[in-house]
Amino acid sequence: TQLLEQSPQFLSIQEGENLTVYCNSSSVFSSLQWYRQEPGEGPVLLVTVVTGGEVKKLKRLTFQFGDARKDSSLHITAAQPGDTGLYLCAGDKTSYDKVIFGPGTSLSVIP
Amino acid sequence: DTAVSQTPKYLVTQMGNDKSIKCEQNLGHDTMYWYKQDSKKFLKIMFSYNNKELIINETVPNRFSPKSPDKAHLNLHINSLELGDSAVYFCASSQSGEGTGTYEQYFGPGTRLTVT
Repeated sequence: TQLLEQSPQFLSIQEGENLTVYCNSSSVFSSLQWYRQEPGEGPVLLVTVVTGGEVKKLKRLTFQFGDARKDSSLHITAAQPGDTGLYLCAGDKTSYDKVIFGPGTSLSVIP
Repeated sequence: DTAVSQTPKYLVTQMGNDKSIKCEQNLGHDTMYWYKQDSKKFLKIMFSYNNKELIINETVPNRFSPKSPDKAHLNLHINSLELGDSAVYFCASSQSGEGTGTYEQYFGPGTRLTVT
């Protein structure tokens, strides 16, 4: 069993549509990070959320940390082909000395 | 300037060979990692070094041996390569400490290893 689950696993949408991807766990995390990985490249950090209920915005991307710090969501408004990629959430706990990655959501935005 | 660099980008080799992957970071971070990403894109940590000291060693075959000559470099040597070692290997770095930003990972471009 994975510590972090992500849904959906795959998502294919038309340009201009909105979407939400989810990152869920039964564990409490000190913080949650979101990364985007494009084909042939390494993951790139998008945001870190720390406080329960926290909402952060990055242009058309909105990230929310659950009140209980067990889950997070990423909402993309008016998706563009440049948003295509693998979205990974990762959680850290003080006791872990590392981050744990979810399995990812593969997003394809069709022009 | 590239923050985290890896060489080589691609590595094709035969079963039984020994190969190395090199990683360097110029971010001034004190912690470096090796991850393996399999064909299903799952990213799994293999090793972590903090100031040249091994702090995480996940369940990885002994054929994999990391070495950190200084805190800016972390190399990965693999002995007796097997078909199942084929994957993309990512190096990453982070700055340890208290508070927000701890463990935020900065990844290299990856090394695609193909064992034939």
